Amino acid sequence: QVQLQESGPGLVKPSETLSLTCTVSGGSFGSSGHYWGWIRQPPGKGLEWIGSIYYSGTTYYNPSLKSRVTISEDTSKNQVSLKLNSVTAADTAVYYCARWSSGLYAFFDYWGQGMLVTVSS
Amino acid sequence: EIVLTQSPGTLSLSPGERATLSCRASQSVSSNYLAWYQQKPGQAPRVLIYGASSRATGIPDRFSGSGSGTDFTLTISRLEPEDFAVYYCQQYGSSPLFTFGPGTKVAIK
Repeated sequence: QVQLQESGPGLVKPSETLSLTCTVSGGSFGSSGHYWGWIRQPPGKGLEWIGSIYYSGTTYYNPSLKSRVTISEDTSKNQVSLKLNSVTAADTAVYYCARWSSGLYAFFDYWGQGMLVTVSS
Repeated sequence: EIVLTQSPGTLSLSPGERATLSCRASQSVSSNYLAWYQQKPGQAPRVLIYGASSRATGIPDRFSGSGSGTDFTLTISRLEPEDFAVYYCQQYGSSPLFTFGPGTKVAIK
């Protein structure tokens, strides 16, 4: 069973960089056909896809965040990382790590539990 | 960008009733790339339907999806107490690669 776990600081100051890590267990990290990425949800609001990374290292970003986002992977640790710079209060959200598998369909089949990150001084 | 609109915003129903949720896209979406999720308070979303009409593993058959092009529907045939939640549709394929609808809350009447 694939499991994803987000970790990182829960409080970030405005203008600083938000950094989160997703640790994947269950054996599918590093294998072809899977994309690992980030989705966020501001309190009481809907879902926004931030970006994803393929096992080969190819990245895909939401154009609305692309200038501030970097997603990377560490296959030796089964981890995917998110960096979002120059944060403001609008970046306060629950951040989810999620897996999408290539193929005939495209949807997120495994999700982490989510991590609330608050941007505040 | 393909914008997904969901209606109604809130659906107030009683257990045992039928729920019909709508997802409308601003442009045509491939049926293969339309999914539905359920989210309960404090939990991550979980996929219910993918490919517009295929149930994900472990999803009860009271959940069904249909539609094509720009109009898609999620139907819950008989609401169980655990079905009261927020439901999101999601599309893949246009920049941004993934977008979600704003959600429909199914509330207990």
